[in-house]
Amino acid sequence: NAGVMQNPRHLVRRRGQEARLRCSPMKGHSHVYWYRQLPEEGLKFMVYLQKENIIDESGMPKERFSAEFPKEGPSILRIQQVVRGDSAAYFCASSPVAGAPGSTGELFFGEGSRLTVL
Amino acid sequence: AQSVAQPEDQVNVAEGNPLTVKCTYSVSGNPYLFWYVQYPNRGLQFLLKYITGDNLVKGSYGFEAEFNKSQTSFHLKKPSALVSDSALYFCAVRSDKLIFGTGTRLQVFP
Repeated sequence: NAGVMQNPRHLVRRRGQEARLRCSPMKGHSHVYWYRQLPEEGLKFMVYLQKENIIDESGMPKERFSAEFPKEGPSILRIQQVVRGDSAAYFCASSPVAGAPGSTGELFFGEGSRLTVL
Repeated sequence: AQSVAQPEDQVNVAEGNPLTVKCTYSVSGNPYLFWYVQYPNRGLQFLLKYITGDNLVKGSYGFEAEFNKSQTSFHLKKPSALVSDSALYFCAVRSDKLIFGTGTRLQVFP
């Protein structure tokens, strides 16, 4: 059973460009979470999604950031018109439905996508 | 609002000595508490969790944590530290999502 897959692992963008980060959850997981980790800091929650639904986006910046988890395919975190302050590691995590077989409460994390904005 | 606090930015310990990484929490209702470890340039790995039951929880790599309701703490412990335990450790509390503490960097010296 493959873990949470994130790509690209490293992404370099110039200011003003767009960044797209992809996340494929573990097989059987229907919940996806995105977190951002700035250098030497902890993880900040950004958004929580289920298939075709945004459940909680309280951690998402109001502008330039968007996320989706379509019926088919990976979850996408999109950052438009990137600025240097967007440079960070972006982590995706997944979990099964609470109470479902295999649900044990913890989130399973990918290896992260490291965005550098020049 | 649910939150966790990790009061130490860094903990230094000699190899072979016991280690403790502190975490306190603030929740309404019963807490779901977690510890994760992050090695350099890697994702987070789950170590252990407290949902209910015994206050002493055993996890991966010889780590354990003690849930203390009266002190609202969930400190991570290991009886004998290894150099390879050097990493960033995060305490977290879960409601519908995981809320992380700021992390504690553990440095184990040979």
